[in-house]
Amino acid sequence: DTGVSQNPRHKITKRGQNVTFRCDPISEHNRLYWYRQTLGQGPEFLTYFQNEAQLEKSRLLSDRFSAERPKGSFSTLEIQRTEQGDSAMYLCASSSKLDRGYEQYFGPGTRLTVT
Amino acid sequence: LAKTTQPISMDSYEGQEVNITCSHNNIATNDYITWYQQFPSQGPRFIIQGYKTKVTNEVASLFIPADRKSSTLSLPRVSLSDTAVYYCLVGDIIQGAQKLVFGQGTRLTINP
Repeated sequence: DTGVSQNPRHKITKRGQNVTFRCDPISEHNRLYWYRQTLGQGPEFLTYFQNEAQLEKSRLLSDRFSAERPKGSFSTLEIQRTEQGDSAMYLCASSSKLDRGYEQYFGPGTRLTVT
Repeated sequence: LAKTTQPISMDSYEGQEVNITCSHNNIATNDYITWYQQFPSQGPRFIIQGYKTKVTNEVASLFIPADRKSSTLSLPRVSLSDTAVYYCLVGDIIQGAQKLVFGQGTRLTINP
């Protein structure tokens, strides 16, 4: 499978714990995006990388959130001191500079439950 | 980014043609119209994109009137597997990264 992969698919954690998610984009894609989706809502943009550079961050991304893409390939999203409001599906997407701007390829997501 | 309005939910039956309309009254000259589909527990999937008139691919057709203030996604002969949420997005399609802005989408349910 050459699509976008995300790990883990599900994560249950207790409030206050730190969690880290991984995203592996389609190999030739240099752009990588993180979105968050809560039940009944559309995905919300969190942040975007072009190669290893993080070029945009949403105001939704509080200081407890950090994302990296150290070698311009896979990316990690870390949430520190998780809160119940962080419970959501975290989606990763990638695109190539050759793609039309609005065509992004999404992974299956990581569902986070904070208890 | 232009705001979009689409029905919260729709129901139809297998074999029928389904049309989902999206309103985007404030669409700008450089904006394109894009539709995504999302199945439960999956990420959204790009379906179709257009600027004006009609676009057709193997999955759907997109009809855009001359004033471009609305668009209609048409799914021919739907099956149970077309049950999903459909999102209409409007924005400038430059060669570059795009921060996709999703609304609530239309939850389409196909009944046997």
